[in-house]
Amino acid sequence: GQQLNQSPQSMFIQEGEDVSMNCTSSSIFNTWLWYKQDPGEGPVLLIALYKAGELTSNGRLTAQFGITRKDSFLNISASIPSDVGIYFCAGQSVGAGKSTFGDGTTLTVKP
Amino acid sequence: GAGVSQSPRYKVAKRGQDVALRCDPISGHVSLFWYQQALGQGPEFLTYFQNEAQLDKSGLPSDRFFAERPEGSVSTLKIQRTQQEDSAVYLCASRSGPRAGRSPLHFGNGTRLTVT
Repeated sequence: GQQLNQSPQSMFIQEGEDVSMNCTSSSIFNTWLWYKQDPGEGPVLLIALYKAGELTSNGRLTAQFGITRKDSFLNISASIPSDVGIYFCAGQSVGAGKSTFGDGTTLTVKP
Repeated sequence: GAGVSQSPRYKVAKRGQDVALRCDPISGHVSLFWYQQALGQGPEFLTYFQNEAQLDKSGLPSDRFFAERPEGSVSTLKIQRTQQEDSAVYLCASRSGPRAGRSPLHFGNGTRLTVT
């Protein structure tokens, strides 16, 4: 089945640093999604990308939908302690009910 | 309510017991999904409903897993004869539209199932 490879698996950074994480797939997706999950909670949508090449920002977050439709990246600028959590990428195919998730990037921000 | 509500938040079951997990989606949301999330991994798709119709159950790991949404709103995921490998967080999500489109998933906070 479809699999998403998300990297890095974990990151330890200083407050104020920028962060970059990415996701690659062996299959083409028509939508890429980035979620954040805090302990004991469900994933919360951060950014949705619907078109190859699209670059979208949400505050300090920027994500891009790769031209090949097989990859996406998420950047976080000027990290703050509340950015701590697990970030998941997810892909959706046209008409598909389900989203396929990566295994997450765990972000730790040291004050 | 404002979001997707799941109950119970925590469930401990002895191996062999049956369990039932409940999901109340956002009111009016057509699509409802169940995902299983093992420790340290991303959510894995189990099954999908559009209104009361179960359109995809390809992710259910065995015939011990059964899901229903009889009136197109509340859904129940039932696991019969639980095994230790069933221990995971079970996430429910809903979406306003019938198709992926530009309609994102809204997740509940999950039910953490521990089978002893």
